[in-house]
Amino acid sequence: QQQVKQSPQSLIVQKGGISIINCAYENTAFDYFPWYQQFPGKGPALLIAIRPDVSEKKEGRFTISFNKSAKQFSLHIMDSQPGDSATYFCAATGTYKYIFGTGTRLKVLA
Amino acid sequence: GAVVSQHPSRVICKSGTSVKIECRSLDFQATTMFWYRQFPKQSLMLMATSNEGSKATYEQGVEKDKFLINHASLTLSTLTVTSAHPEDSSFYICSASKDSGYTIYFGEGSWLTVV
Repeated sequence: QQQVKQSPQSLIVQKGGISIINCAYENTAFDYFPWYQQFPGKGPALLIAIRPDVSEKKEGRFTISFNKSAKQFSLHIMDSQPGDSATYFCAATGTYKYIFGTGTRLKVLA
Repeated sequence: GAVVSQHPSRVICKSGTSVKIECRSLDFQATTMFWYRQFPKQSLMLMATSNEGSKATYEQGVEKDKFLINHASLTLSTLTVTSAHPEDSSFYICSASKDSGYTIYFGEGSWLTVV
């Protein structure tokens, strides 16, 4: 009930391509779904977040797609750049206690 | 903005000693702060939730006597690793909540190496 499953574990994308990372949750009480970007040796930085009352949210090159019935949400990075190479974590929460996914290591090739 | 600062960013201590890590919210007041531990190439593991003016709430399996957490003000929480051992070596990250919408912001993390 408290797990957030994230896939893939690692992802390699060509520069300019689309990176897609998926997450699935079980607890229907979750109502806030953020994505964090983490560079090696640094703390995670909030990238974008969504609530279940919308199916999509876009901020620049980053888009969250949310499917409430399937209990899934995904991060799309358009026009991926080498500077996007990092680890991405999805999370879900109904309080301040976040449940994090296992992370996806993204590498964008120049 | 919402800036959370940790200090020190890196610390090396001898086995058996104690080390303190500070977490500060620089431009907002945080009634709730969180401490995480992260092993290489792994996800974040919540250790405890720190509430200003009250005792921290520890996650199952986290030794509260070993990882002392104090949230003395609305902008400062500290994590003290007592009687540190090499297995305590890890990346420790704090986060703080800014508003009532569940958004939390992370510090830069602190690398602890126990030798």
